[in-house]
Amino acid sequence: SQQGEEDPQALSIQEGENATMNCSYKTSINNLQWYRQNSGRGLVHLILIRSNEREKHSGRLRVTLDTSKKSSSLLITASRAADTASYFCATKDSSYKLIFGSGTRLLVRP
Amino acid sequence: DAGITQSPRYKITETGRQVTLMCHQTWSHSYMFWYRQDLGHGLRLIYYSAAADITDKGEVPDGYVVSRSKTENFPLTLESATRSQTSVYFCASTGTGGKDTEAFFGQGTRLTVV
Repeated sequence: SQQGEEDPQALSIQEGENATMNCSYKTSINNLQWYRQNSGRGLVHLILIRSNEREKHSGRLRVTLDTSKKSSSLLITASRAADTASYFCATKDSSYKLIFGSGTRLLVRP
Repeated sequence: DAGITQSPRYKITETGRQVTLMCHQTWSHSYMFWYRQDLGHGLRLIYYSAAADITDKGEVPDGYVVSRSKTENFPLTLESATRSQTSVYFCASTGTGGKDTEAFFGQGTRLTVV
């Protein structure tokens, strides 16, 4: 089974609201990454958080990591219609494998 | 053009045929990956490669073969295509800056096996 499982599977919010997505994983990791995929396109890297970090910010993105619970969350503040996409967490272990979760589909309504 | 490119973008093939999906990157990245994306499963790792002539299995390797004779190329071959291999396939690469490096993805190949 996959390393990362994301919750919720789908999320619909109004423009301007915040969106929170959660990711749980099973094994020890070196880092956790979040990616975005627009419909029909390849994935684009958003942010990386190392296993010894607890929180990281990048623009309107905030990522937290709780290694004791094996979970992470991605917060997008002040969402825009252009944020509509699928969001995936991915974990990298000591073997360099990058394993993805099942993703959250985000719809931001104008 | 610099980047990572996949070809073809779309492919229809018949059950039992051999088909090869190509992936080429211009950065001389060490690590390359093949994923398949199916509805409800996210991306699943098929094979990955740490360098030329070094490959390893991922989560779902059965039915697939890879090779990496040159750093920049990482072709994926379906030896005898089955309908269950209908999927969107993504190739990715990461640099040599240690484990804390992001992956860059190709645009994907949509494969239909009829």
